[in-house]
Amino acid sequence: DAGVIQSPRHEVTEMGQEVTLRCKPISGHDYLFWYRQTMMRGLELLIYFNNNVPIDDSGMPEDRFSAKMPNASFSTLKIQPSEPRDSAVYFCASSRTGGNQPQHFGDGTRLSIL
Amino acid sequence: GENVEQHPSTLSVQEGDSAVIKCTYSDSASNYFPWYKQELGKRPQLIIDIRSNVGEKKDQRIAVTLNKTAKHFSLHITETQPEDSAVYFCAASIGSGGGADGLTFGKGTHLIIQP
Repeated sequence: DAGVIQSPRHEVTEMGQEVTLRCKPISGHDYLFWYRQTMMRGLELLIYFNNNVPIDDSGMPEDRFSAKMPNASFSTLKIQPSEPRDSAVYFCASSRTGGNQPQHFGDGTRLSIL
Repeated sequence: GENVEQHPSTLSVQEGDSAVIKCTYSDSASNYFPWYKQELGKRPQLIIDIRSNVGEKKDQRIAVTLNKTAKHFSLHITETQPEDSAVYFCAASIGSGGGADGLTFGKGTHLIIQP
């Protein structure tokens, strides 16, 4: 089975540019999660969806961040405008419905904002 | 919100010895506690998880214990091997009914296995 697929794997861009990260969850998984990992803050939840509907976005740091899930097999995380402090590894994870099913992580996008 | 504390931040053990990593959580409603292993530059990978209706779970050389009264849980790795070297994260979440919730992670433990 294919795992969670994220693209791009690496992104380097200049401050002020728009950045779009993409995620394809595991087929049949109803939950999709976006996490960010930095040395200072560790792994932190940004937002998660259930059946394409955002459930909790309290972790989204600022209005510059937005996430969408237009269908069951695709989600985007957008940063506009980007800032150097947004540099991090962004992970997408998915899980089945059914009372705390394991979350499976993608390989992440390493984002560098210059 | 939930807060997860993890100790130690670095743990060095001799190959073949046991390693124990401890976590505490703050929200008594949390009922799911997974452990992830992350190698350098790789994604977190689930190695074991435990739910609040169970006190202990074992999978070969790995075991997890949960004390709901004290709100702490621990990862035990026996007969450590060089490939166990990685960063280990504990996490907690509240899943109600048939639903799920985002994970709150500890800060991680860098486990070093000395040959």
